[in-house]
Amino acid sequence: SQELEQSPQSLIVQEGKNLTINCTSSKTLYGLYWYKQKYGEGLIFLMMLQKGGEEKSHEKITAKLDEKKQQSSLHITASQPSHAGIYLCGAVRPGTYKYIFGTGTRLKVLA
Amino acid sequence: SAVISQKPSRDICQRGTSLTIQCQVDSQVTMMFWYRQQPGQSLTLIATANQGSEATYESGFVIDKFPISRPNLTFSTLTVSNMSPEDSSIYLCSGQKTGNTGELFFGEGSRLTVL
Repeated sequence: SQELEQSPQSLIVQEGKNLTINCTSSKTLYGLYWYKQKYGEGLIFLMMLQKGGEEKSHEKITAKLDEKKQQSSLHITASQPSHAGIYLCGAVRPGTYKYIFGTGTRLKVLA
Repeated sequence: SAVISQKPSRDICQRGTSLTIQCQVDSQVTMMFWYRQQPGQSLTLIATANQGSEATYESGFVIDKFPISRPNLTFSTLTVSNMSPEDSSIYLCSGQKTGNTGELFFGEGSRLTVL
């Protein structure tokens, strides 16, 4: 099974709509990272959450990490076509220095 | 921050051949990792490139198939050996500057198609 599970696997929304992507770990994480990948390109760092209960925002994207540091959500407000891509959560595998990624959420925003 | 350059950005290869992907970072990074991303999938860690020593491979990946070099803190190579169509993927190089709480920087990826 995947160490980091994301849901939903894919999402199609109308421009202007809000959406939420979730990332769940079975283990407590040191920190949780969110990345965006445009189709066929490298990953772009969005934000990092380290403390339980932490919330960060950048433009129209807000990410939260739960108190147990096992679940994170990424919320996009008033989505735009430029938000389209693959969103990936990442974390350092507990007990190691190795960086792992979630299963990914493919987002499409219809104009 | 760090800027990571990979080359080639894409290649079409024949079955049975080998290809080496180069990864150059514009500044020193502590950790370097190689990932594979198969079509429509997330990133799978292949190995950690260790400076001056043998890479540390994940389960399912072996040195004979994916030899890795890291001669210094800014450069690494990944070779995909004896390629088959199943090796068609995007291969991504990444680097991390600080400890395990640091941001991971990525190259643009190398898209390999094996015929």
